[in-house]
Amino acid sequence: GENVEQHPSTLSVQEGDSAVIKCTYSDSASNYFPWYKQELGKGPQLIIDIRSNVGEKKDQRIAVTLNKTAKHFSLHITETQPEDSAVYFCAASIGAGSYQLTFGKGTKLSVIP
Amino acid sequence: DTEVTQTPKHLVMGMTNKKSLKCEQHMGHRAMYWYKQKAKKPPELMFVYSYEKLSINESVPSRFSPECPNSSLLNLHLHALQPEDSALYLCASSQAGTTNYGYTFGSGTRLTVV
Repeated sequence: GENVEQHPSTLSVQEGDSAVIKCTYSDSASNYFPWYKQELGKGPQLIIDIRSNVGEKKDQRIAVTLNKTAKHFSLHITETQPEDSAVYFCAASIGAGSYQLTFGKGTKLSVIP
Repeated sequence: DTEVTQTPKHLVMGMTNKKSLKCEQHMGHRAMYWYKQKAKKPPELMFVYSYEKLSINESVPSRFSPECPNSSLLNLHLHALQPEDSALYLCASSQAGTTNYGYTFGSGTRLTVV
């Protein structure tokens, strides 16, 4: 089955700096890659996703890049703010017909004011 | 309405109790999920319902019994749980037949078994 590795497990950045979280996946059939943000006491919230026919996607301060050849994808957060502090999970899926999302183990991001 | 609503938010139950967790969505999603999340871990899939039929059971112990009364509601019936079942239980929904649009998660029920 699919295996998703996520690094780093913890990340501390100064407010205003950029943060990068990286994930690798094992199943070349995976074609959908969402990122979730989970704040304390809340459920995961989808913040951005990318499909395998796209190399990069951006939404304001958040961007995701995908390298299908290397089987890795990354989350980039620019101009970090204290409210970006949370646990971030990457995930992978083979998409249509599958209900399975394989999650990475999560990255705890702390933005220091 | 773009939310998944879970009740209760917190639940403390004894090992001999019977309780139920409830989940509701009105986004027209026809796939609904139960996940279990332990502290500092990613969510783990328990059950998937597609068009109100149980599609996936990830070898979950029978003390957890899911139910999907209609396309908007999902229940998880709990009976004779163990302390190690204490966790955050998350409900999610998505368009059926694909995960290509991600899941919408509820805020979860924090379950403590004493």
